[in-house]
Amino acid sequence: EADIYQTPRYLVIGTGKKITLECSQTMGHDKMYWYQQDPGMELHLIHYSYGVNSTEKGDLSSESTVSRIRTEHFPLTLESARPSHTSQYLCASSESGKNKGKLFFGSGTQLSVL
Amino acid sequence: LAKTTQPISMDSYEGQEVNITCSHNNIATNDYITWYQQFPSQGPRFIIQGYKTKVTNEVASLFIPADRKSSTLSLPRVSLSDTAVYYCLVGQTGLGGSARQLTFGSGTQLTVLP
Repeated sequence: EADIYQTPRYLVIGTGKKITLECSQTMGHDKMYWYQQDPGMELHLIHYSYGVNSTEKGDLSSESTVSRIRTEHFPLTLESARPSHTSQYLCASSESGKNKGKLFFGSGTQLSVL
Repeated sequence: LAKTTQPISMDSYEGQEVNITCSHNNIATNDYITWYQQFPSQGPRFIIQGYKTKVTNEVASLFIPADRKSSTLSLPRVSLSDTAVYYCLVGQTGLGGSARQLTFGSGTQLTVLP
């Protein structure tokens, strides 16, 4: 069973607020990912990390930023939330070295910006 | 990127076998094929992974023809709880490989009817 945790599970916040979505994994995985998913739509990769101090943007442009100071922790930050940021944010991790595509996902954070 | 194509939706009845096919004409030599299951408001969950021929585990089978341009996920004797979205993911990330290769398609909404 995967040990990857996201908090909060749900977040309702006003426009202009700064928010941080937390993601932690206890599997020692080097690679971590953030996906964004709107209801009924496909997952879009917005950030990924190969390891500590290594982060890159994904295919979908996002105003969010990420950091990877510790292997187990990969938080995502929005400096000024807007209604267009309303979505589900999914964090995932995968094994070190050659990854054949087996990702472990957290339960997600459903973000609503009013 | 190995773009994938799946049927948007499928209906089945309890106890039947369900086969979901994914097309990936541009699959690369080193790419693996991975299937995920996603319930509403949750992260995707790994089901099965393969490279060629047939793979079977306790929940599903994966059939991959010799040319690897498609794959079929087979779910034996589905139940109501198998109602979910099923994603086919094609790609891999080796050391230094791009996580952009791990791109999800639109998925197939499977609805199991009583």
